Amino acid sequence: DIQLTQSPSSVSASVGDRVTITCRASQGISSWLAWHQQKPGKAPKLLIYAASRLQSGVPSRFSGSGSGTDFTLTISSLQPEDFATYYCQQANSFLWTFGQGTKVEIK
Amino acid sequence: QITLKESGPTLVKPTQTLTLTCTFSGFSLITTGVGVGWIRQPPGKALEWLALIYWDDEKRYSPSLNSRLTITKDTSKNQVVLTMTNMDPVDTATYFCAHTLYTSGWVDYWGQGTLVTVSS
Repeated sequence: DIQLTQSPSSVSASVGDRVTITCRASQGISSWLAWHQQKPGKAPKLLIYAASRLQSGVPSRFSGSGSGTDFTLTISSLQPEDFATYYCQQANSFLWTFGQGTKVEIK
Repeated sequence: QITLKESGPTLVKPTQTLTLTCTFSGFSLITTGVGVGWIRQPPGKALEWLALIYWDDEKRYSPSLNSRLTITKDTSKNQVVLTMTNMDPVDTATYFCAHTLYTSGWVDYWGQGTLVTVSS
């Protein structure tokens, strides 16, 4: 199995802050990585696919980068609606895996 | 517009078999490249992938749960069914179904999820 390790597990930040979350794969996955946002009590929502491509309708303050084993999700200026848990998902093999999640909390 | 909705029991007893149905609209599982997957999330915990089925009936299962899972599709009803045998309290979770494409692999649309509690 390909394992995904996210860091940090939680981050406290203020509105307007720049936030960066990392996801490391246990083996190379090229750019086969997606990022999902989940708010409490809701289903996740796709934000970024192919490591760096923004899903339609997602604000441009979200961006993704990386390839191989190391990936990042960046929120350039945190907004109140961005407080949520973020998960990476690998799609390199047809055996999916998700990271353990990063909770973005209000400071 | 793609939508998916999960249905099934909210409570099952230990050792019982769970059967969940995903009913979808806005796409067809006879279209080349389309897939539907199941993912679960125990309360307060991370997402865990369970199973996948594609338009050509190719199936994939989580290695850790492979022996307990079966995924099938009914294209005439636009449904995908997941069965999980020998349920245990640790299987208490919200179960999501999701749309994917064979060429990408990531989930692009999620169902709302259904909470299943395992308790005697």
